[in-house]
Amino acid sequence: GAGVSQSPSNKVTEKGKDVELRCDPISGHTALYWYRQSLGQGLEFLIYFQGNSAPDKSGLPSDRFSAERTGGSVSTLTIQRTQQEDSAVYLCASSLGTGTLGYEQYFGPGTRLTVT
Amino acid sequence: AQSVTQLDSHVSVSEGTPVLLRCNYSSSYSPSLFWYVQHPNKGLQLLLKYTSAATLVKGINGFEAEFKKSETSFHLTKPSAHMSDAAEYFCALSSGDKLTFGTGTRLAVRP
Repeated sequence: GAGVSQSPSNKVTEKGKDVELRCDPISGHTALYWYRQSLGQGLEFLIYFQGNSAPDKSGLPSDRFSAERTGGSVSTLTIQRTQQEDSAVYLCASSLGTGTLGYEQYFGPGTRLTVT
Repeated sequence: AQSVTQLDSHVSVSEGTPVLLRCNYSSSYSPSLFWYVQHPNKGLQLLLKYTSAATLVKGINGFEAEFKKSETSFHLTKPSAHMSDAAEYFCALSSGDKLTFGTGTRLAVRP
């Protein structure tokens, strides 16, 4: 079946521009997660959604970062006024649920963002 | 606070020899633990998970991991390395929602 998809796969933008990254989770997965992978910081949690609600936004690095999810499906991560330190691979994952049952998270291929 | 420590940043083995990738964790409650693999320019693929059932967990591609509570470890092993196993491997701990990842171990496999 279809896995998690992300678009675009690569994005090059100029410093100061806004960017939107999109994630399509696996059908039927109620939970959706965003992570960032960079050389200096490794894999960092950004935000997760249960349905359309985001109970934990603790990982968002600054108020330039925001995310939304609509219809319990597609999610967009928006970075405003991009900075060079935002350059990273942004990974999206989805799972059947959350909680102590240890649901597996399935990852998309990522969006490589380069801010010039 | 929860944390994951991967003890080796790089491991190099010869093809056909055993693989051991080490992971230690810190958690205030019974953890769910995962190993993921990442090939170059790809996303993360789940290898296996532990969620308080059997302590020896079998995963894909011949990998196994053993949960040892007394040692707070969850080391990944494979009896015989294949060239296609060359990749980066991440150990992760679940808090029920987000995953906390280790810094990764890059596995090289020599012919």
